[in-house]
Amino acid sequence: AIRMTQSPSSLSASTGDRVTITCRASQGISSYLAWYQQKPGKAPKLLIYAASTLQSGVPSRFSGSGSGTDFTLTISCLQSEDFATYYCQQYYSYPPTFGQGTKVEIK
Amino acid sequence: EVQLLESGGGLVQPGGSLRLSCAASGFTFSSYAMSWVRQAPGKGLEWVSAISGSGGSTYYADSVKGRFTISRDNSKNTLYLQMNSLRAEDTAVYYCAKEITIAARPLGLDYWGQGTLVTVSS
Repeated sequence: AIRMTQSPSSLSASTGDRVTITCRASQGISSYLAWYQQKPGKAPKLLIYAASTLQSGVPSRFSGSGSGTDFTLTISCLQSEDFATYYCQQYYSYPPTFGQGTKVEIK
Repeated sequence: EVQLLESGGGLVQPGGSLRLSCAASGFTFSSYAMSWVRQAPGKGLEWVSAISGSGGSTYYADSVKGRFTISRDNSKNTLYLQMNSLRAEDTAVYYCAKEITIAARPLGLDYWGQGTLVTVSS
């Protein structure tokens, strides 16, 4: 199975900050990468698929980039509602594995 | 509006069985592959299983292969997960989710249910 590794595991940031989360695949996955946001007690929400395509209804402050093995999720101007845990997931091959998650906390 | 509603979770003893259901509405159910994803308490997300729109293709995580069976009834717009030989490590919230596909290629999970808790304990 393809291993997905996110960094950092957690970060502290302030409202208005620019935040970048990295996801690395153990082998090349082209652009078959999705990003999710999960808040406590809630189901995950799809933010980005195909590495850089913004899901309908997701604010434009979220963006994704990368291909092959290295990917990033960027939040350009952190808002209060963005404090959550973020997961990447590869869809290059089954099983579609998730990263371990990155928790974005309030500084 | 797309809605996914899981049911069937609960407390079961190790070695026992449970069947989860996911009732879907708001989209053409038979046109989309569906997945089950679980999350152990305080842990990250783990993909469990997926099934094609027709039901003809199924996929499983190694951790559940041979114990869990995914199926669907397109006439009832319902997804199932039959879980046998349950272990303590299967304790988790189980989510059903709809796949987003482009050109028949899965790209992610765009709609999720609220989840149902399965607890395996004696």
